[in-house]
Amino acid sequence: DAGVIQSPRHEVTEMGQEVTLRCKPISGHNSLFWYRQTMMRGLELLIYFNNNVPIDDSGMPEDRFSAKMPNASFSTLKIQPSEPRDSAVYFCASSLDLSNTEAFFGQGTRLTVV
Amino acid sequence: KQEVTQIPAALSVPEGENLVLNCSFTDSAIYNLQWFRQDPGKGLTSLLLIQSSQREQTSGRLNASLDKSSGRSTLYIAASQPGDSATYLCAARTYGQNFVFGPGTRLSVLP
Repeated sequence: DAGVIQSPRHEVTEMGQEVTLRCKPISGHNSLFWYRQTMMRGLELLIYFNNNVPIDDSGMPEDRFSAKMPNASFSTLKIQPSEPRDSAVYFCASSLDLSNTEAFFGQGTRLTVV
Repeated sequence: KQEVTQIPAALSVPEGENLVLNCSFTDSAIYNLQWFRQDPGKGLTSLLLIQSSQREQTSGRLNASLDKSSGRSTLYIAASQPGDSATYLCAARTYGQNFVFGPGTRLSVLP
């Protein structure tokens, strides 16, 4: 398996624009997580899904953030409108389930909002 | 709410030394604890996963231990090499919160 695949790897956008980040989990994994990493706050869990259903989105910072998982092999994280403070590295991770299995991370998307 | 801390924040050692990285968590009701490595500008690579019922796991020169009662885990790196230089993060998987990460320990191994 190619692991968790995220796209794009880098994104530079202007403030106010819509940004969509994409993630393909490892095949057969039922749980998917979106994280954001900044120097100030470290790794923060934004939202996670199990069997394509959002379980906890309490980490989503504002209504400008939304995430979907239309099927088991694809998830998106959308920011609309984007702001400079959204600049961060966004990671997607997947695991077999929500309990005691290992999590695997993608390479991340580095978002810069100017 | 689970909180995870890591000590030290940064560590610099000469090549060949054995070293210990520490991870503490406040809620002992965890499913597992996972150690990751992150190289600059890269994603997280899983190193070791310790289930809540286990005391330790080993992979090559790495050994991770878990003491749930005291809320601590340690990552032991034997015979460190310059290629071990990276940030090491621990994450506690807790029911309802899933992975809660520590801030990481930035390790530099000097040749």
